[in-house]
Amino acid sequence: GQNIDQPTEMTATEGAIVQINCTYQTSGFNGLFWYQQHAGEAPTFLSYNVLDGLEEKGRFSSFLSRSKGYSYLLLKELQMKDSASYLCAVLDSNYQLIWGAGTKLIIKP
Amino acid sequence: IAGITQAPTSQILAAGRRMTLRCTQDMRHNAMYWYRQDLGLGLRLIHYSNTAGTTGKGEVPDGYSVSRANTDDFPLTLASAVPSQTSVYFCASSASDQNSPLHFGNGTRLTVT
Repeated sequence: GQNIDQPTEMTATEGAIVQINCTYQTSGFNGLFWYQQHAGEAPTFLSYNVLDGLEEKGRFSSFLSRSKGYSYLLLKELQMKDSASYLCAVLDSNYQLIWGAGTKLIIKP
Repeated sequence: IAGITQAPTSQILAAGRRMTLRCTQDMRHNAMYWYRQDLGLGLRLIHYSNTAGTTGKGEVPDGYSVSRANTDDFPLTLASAVPSQTSVYFCASSASDQNSPLHFGNGTRLTVT
């Protein structure tokens, strides 16, 4: 079966750095997405990786290793507004999106 | 403001009743999707439409139906609601490119009693 694993919850301190991991086992791979979802709101797109390596976008970076079936989202200079759930999703060989359950990130002052 | 509009925002529905969740987008996206989101689970695809006039079944289609009469609208109908359909429902759209990110509506919180 297809599976996406993420930690259920993480806690970090304002101003610090946090890394949210995502491992996947899917039938084929056509890219990996990260979305941010604040409580009670819709998911919003953060990043897309299809090639190995690090993609940087401001305070947020996303890394992909296809050989290891692994990605992480790196958030720097954490702000209170970064408190949210972060969803990892993989496009499989049929271009179907497989979603992880999400990681709830709690930022403490 | 371009985007996706869902209605209603929330609804309490008696079991056995029929309900249509509305979804409209003004971005001229070809592909549209309906997902449900339940605590502790990833988003699960109910139905999708790659273009106006075509629809397909997702991971959890039973008890739901959709139509795509035009590009903008993609309503989801529950013919006879059951308590297990209590969930948050998100409509989403994407451009034709299969690697395009999804744009989500604000969701409909549905409670079936």
